[in-house]
Amino acid sequence: DVKVTQSSRYLVKRTGEKVFLECVQDMDHENMFWYRQDPGLGLRLIYFSYDVKMKEKGDIPEGYSVSREKKERFSLILESASTNQTSMYLCASSTVDRVGSQPQHFGDGTRLSIL
Amino acid sequence: GQNIDQPTEMTATEGAIVQINCTYQTSGFNGLFWYQQHAGEAPTFLSYNVLDGLEEKGRFSSFLSRSKGYSYLLLKELQMKDSASYLCAVRDQWGNTDKLIFGTGTRLQVFP
Repeated sequence: DVKVTQSSRYLVKRTGEKVFLECVQDMDHENMFWYRQDPGLGLRLIYFSYDVKMKEKGDIPEGYSVSREKKERFSLILESASTNQTSMYLCASSTVDRVGSQPQHFGDGTRLSIL
Repeated sequence: GQNIDQPTEMTATEGAIVQINCTYQTSGFNGLFWYQQHAGEAPTFLSYNVLDGLEEKGRFSSFLSRSKGYSYLLLKELQMKDSASYLCAVRDQWGNTDKLIFGTGTRLQVFP
């Protein structure tokens, strides 16, 4: 089974702090994603990466950055946390599939509160 | 623009059948996924459609009509454990990478 592990289930930080959310997958997947999930808004893509050291902006990248130094690890960084970044953050990974049928596999999520 | 619509909430009775609809308008289309998400847990993959028609997988089936921008998830013989949110997501391929565009999800409550 694919395992996507996020470093924390719950995290509380203060406004202005630099926050790191870590995600590790064990299936040698090429693609990794960071989403945030908010009530009434669904999952929104923040950043994704299709290879080591490669990154692409998603739909809501402002205030965030990412790092992918190793294939199995994808980090989300909140450069200066703000209260509107309080949310559930979900990491996902998927493999390259020319047919397109391979799903994204999600971690359990990190519920981040910014005070 | 990108738009995926699904009902916010639905209720049903144990043992019944429920159909959750999803309509989409996206710039690209390379398949549609359904995920199940129990409260406080990760979304888990249920089904995938890329061609028109019905895909059946046990109690769950998913249908796609690309010309109508429409899909539905059909759950039969409902069980209490089916109470969850169901997420519709359209795959918009970017190079070799799949970008998923999610609907806001349908919260299904199953009552005894």
